[in-house]
Amino acid sequence: ETGVTQSPTHLIKTRGQQVTLRCSSQSGHNTVSWYQQALGQGPQFIFQYYREEENGRGNFPPRFSGLQFPNYSSELNVNALELDDSALYLCASSPGGLGKGPGEQFFGPGTRLTVL
Amino acid sequence: AQSVTQLGSHVSVSEGALVLLRCNYSSSVPPYLFWYVQYPNQGLQLLLKYTSAATLVKGINGFEAEFKKSETSFHLTKPSAHMSDAAEYFCAVSPQGNTGKLIFGQGTTLQVKP
Repeated sequence: ETGVTQSPTHLIKTRGQQVTLRCSSQSGHNTVSWYQQALGQGPQFIFQYYREEENGRGNFPPRFSGLQFPNYSSELNVNALELDDSALYLCASSPGGLGKGPGEQFFGPGTRLTVL
Repeated sequence: AQSVTQLGSHVSVSEGALVLLRCNYSSSVPPYLFWYVQYPNQGLQLLLKYTSAATLVKGINGFEAEFKKSETSFHLTKPSAHMSDAAEYFCAVSPQGNTGKLIFGQGTTLQVKP
């Protein structure tokens, strides 16, 4: 069983650029959540996708957007990058869904984004 | 709004000593509670979770946590620390009925001295 994978591992961008991060969910999981983890902080919830629809969003501006594909993989897009966007971006998948209990979320290794 | 507070950003114990990592939550109703561990340059791994069943929850690697509603706490313990336990530990809460959003604490770095 393949776990959650993320690409790329590391990324360096300059302020104002756009970036796309990718996540492949674990087999059988239809829900993907994205988190931002700044250095020395706990992860912060960005948003969640369930069956290709956004299902909940944290306190992040609209320049953070996402997609989920029919195979349940997902992308996180960030436009107009700012220095404070430098962080580890974590993707987590789960077999949950609307109205279900808190199934375990399986985290990928993350993408380290550096904005210069 | 729900929140999680982890008391102590750094905890240092000797190998073989008791590990106690503290977590308090704020919620009007008992939420679901989790402990995750993060090793350097890795994602998060679930240690254990509380979902309103038994108040004493056993997890992997010898860790356990006790849910105390009266104290709004969910402290993580391990009777005997091992060098391999050195890592970052995060307590997290999820509102009841919500399958996605996890609210994490700031994390506690556990150092294990030989």
